[in-house]
Amino acid sequence: DADVTQTPRNRITKTGKRIMLECSQTKGHDRMYWYRQDPGLGLRLIYYSFDVKDINKGEISDGYSVSRQAQAKFSLSLESAIPNQTALYFCATSDSALAGVYYNEQFFGPGTRLTVL
Amino acid sequence: GQNIDQPTEMTATEGAIVQINCTYQTSGFNGLFWYQQHAGEAPTFLSYNVLDGLEEKGRFSSFLSRSKGYSYLLLKELQMKDSASYLCAVRGGSGGYNKLIFGAGTRLAVHP
Repeated sequence: DADVTQTPRNRITKTGKRIMLECSQTKGHDRMYWYRQDPGLGLRLIYYSFDVKDINKGEISDGYSVSRQAQAKFSLSLESAIPNQTALYFCATSDSALAGVYYNEQFFGPGTRLTVL
Repeated sequence: GQNIDQPTEMTATEGAIVQINCTYQTSGFNGLFWYQQHAGEAPTFLSYNVLDGLEEKGRFSSFLSRSKGYSYLLLKELQMKDSASYLCAVRGGSGGYNKLIFGAGTRLAVHP
């Protein structure tokens, strides 16, 4: 089973609709992140959470909100979707206990492809 | 500001060697990562540099020069499965804060 899972994997929605993307992890990591990826722009950080009570905005948080329901679950919501939110969305995790370890990389989920018409 | 530059596309021949360059200007530096991403899939960790010099892992090597804000990823004995995007990412901040800033990625096509 995958360590980081995302649901749904694909979603088509209409402008103005509310949509939630979910991320779950079994890695036991405390830090979780949401990114979006657009062609030619790379991965950009939307929100990140260092634990259940700590949530922070990334570089492109406008139009998005998040909820950290438990250490293992981090959801991203689009309150009123618009076409320029069409993108590939990735959830990632890392472990603060490894903060002093050499690389302590982030682990990515499989992604959610979102299309807003 | 924060800026990470890498070539958009590269092509190479199976069995050859290719070098993918990355230059960066960031407000903080706490390591540089290379990730591999096949089309439509998740990025996967390839290598990490925090000190100047070369890190070697099998067919892949990564080099860092902090004074020049420069890194490269070297792929040897190219295989068709190496066709993917390669993402350069700088970890900024301090105190173990694990925020990554990504370049746009380099799409590598390996031909027979």
